[in-house]
Amino acid sequence: DTEVTQTPKHLVMGMTNKKSLKCEQHMGHRAMYWYKQKAKKPPELMFVYSYEKLSINESVPSRFSPECPNSSLLNLHLHALQPEDSALYLCASSQAGQGVRSYNSPLHFGNGTRLTVT
Amino acid sequence: GNSVTQMEGPVTLSEEAFLTINCTYTATGYPSLFWYVQYPGEGLQLLLKATKADDKGSNKGFEATYRKETTSFHLEKGSVQVSDSAVYFCALTRRTNAGKSTFGDGTTLTVKP
Repeated sequence: DTEVTQTPKHLVMGMTNKKSLKCEQHMGHRAMYWYKQKAKKPPELMFVYSYEKLSINESVPSRFSPECPNSSLLNLHLHALQPEDSALYLCASSQAGQGVRSYNSPLHFGNGTRLTVT
Repeated sequence: GNSVTQMEGPVTLSEEAFLTINCTYTATGYPSLFWYVQYPGEGLQLLLKATKADDKGSNKGFEATYRKETTSFHLEKGSVQVSDSAVYFCALTRRTNAGKSTFGDGTTLTVKP
């Protein structure tokens, strides 16, 4: 069983909809991530939060808006998405170090939200 | 910049065959190295890791040794099972800019009974 829980598992939304993806972890990790994964590709980093502050934004379009309400929760708000945004969205967490993350610490992934934009 | 190169797949093996998936990396300094596995319909999960030269990571019969001289971290298993069918990703993280991991393209393994 994964220790990072993502909801919903599947989401279909139109281009004018607003929806949110949710992620929760209770491992005490203070670094949390959003990744996007297309079929048969490695995950691509979108955002990193460290100690509840946004540390890295990989030039993600503003139609994706992350939020970290507390050390256990991470949200990704979606608005006016395009069909090419359809993908598997993965949340991950890790121990945080002096910087963003302890570099020896592995990423712990959830099982993802399969997003389809119609 | 950093990069990870994995052997191209897909790889198809019979049950109980020996597995090697090659991984080489480019990075300055001494990165930490990881193998992640992704089973169908799931997220990635850590398979093993090594954090310094000559370290050997091992888990579930899989092994990989951090070779600084050849900048490699090849994944091996002596006898694969059907349940090992998955996509395997090699990845590195550097001490600086540790929030970003660099992933290889992934290697799809199919094990046939």
